Amino acid sequence: GAVVSQHPSWVICKSGTSVKIECRSLDFQATTMFWYRQFPKQSLMLMATSNEGSKATYEQGVEKDKFLINHASLTLSTLTVTSAHPEDSSFYICSARDSVQFGVGYTFGSGTRLTVV
Amino acid sequence: AQKVTQAQTEISVVEKEDVTLDCVYETRDTTYYLFWYKQPPSGELVFLIRRNSFDEQNEISGRYSWNFQKSTSSFNFTITASQVVDSAVYFCALSEPQTGANNLFFGTGTRLTVIP
Repeated sequence: GAVVSQHPSWVICKSGTSVKIECRSLDFQATTMFWYRQFPKQSLMLMATSNEGSKATYEQGVEKDKFLINHASLTLSTLTVTSAHPEDSSFYICSARDSVQFGVGYTFGSGTRLTVV
Repeated sequence: AQKVTQAQTEISVVEKEDVTLDCVYETRDTTYYLFWYKQPPSGELVFLIRRNSFDEQNEISGRYSWNFQKSTSSFNFTITASQVVDSAVYFCALSEPQTGANNLFFGTGTRLTVIP
């Protein structure tokens, strides 16, 4: 079945530094990838939709200059949290949809737990 | 407005009991998809089921069953003979491809605790 690899699975960084999270579709092409954020005991909230070869579409309230998304190939999207602060500590999870076998199937990465100290 | 409502925040049951997790959705689309995911403490999302809006047949998969009722906009999930390993947060989600958004709208989740 479709697999999405997300790295790192957890990261601890100092306040003010930047962190890059990778989301890679291993056995299928993904024109579109989605980035979600989940705070403790809360639901998954869509941050942005990443489109291969074009700019990401951000949800209202999500700072595009802080959460940089790059989707340079059909198998890789990256989310960079710039100048991270403790309030950015959260669980980030990506999702990809097969471009060929559309079927409204979504595959999720295993998530990245970010802690900013 | 919340597109997916999971009114039950937390549920606790004793092992071997049956439990139903409720999900009510809201959409104006005629074509849409509903999903259930399980999120264990490790955090990853485990896909359980996808149902399209034209298929109202109930589905059973082992101890899991789903009841899709368009008349009440509900897509409820029942676990029979619950086990401790069923303890997790369960999310119901909606996809509306007609609107072009293509992402999943998640409910707030129901935390299920199965007590041994």
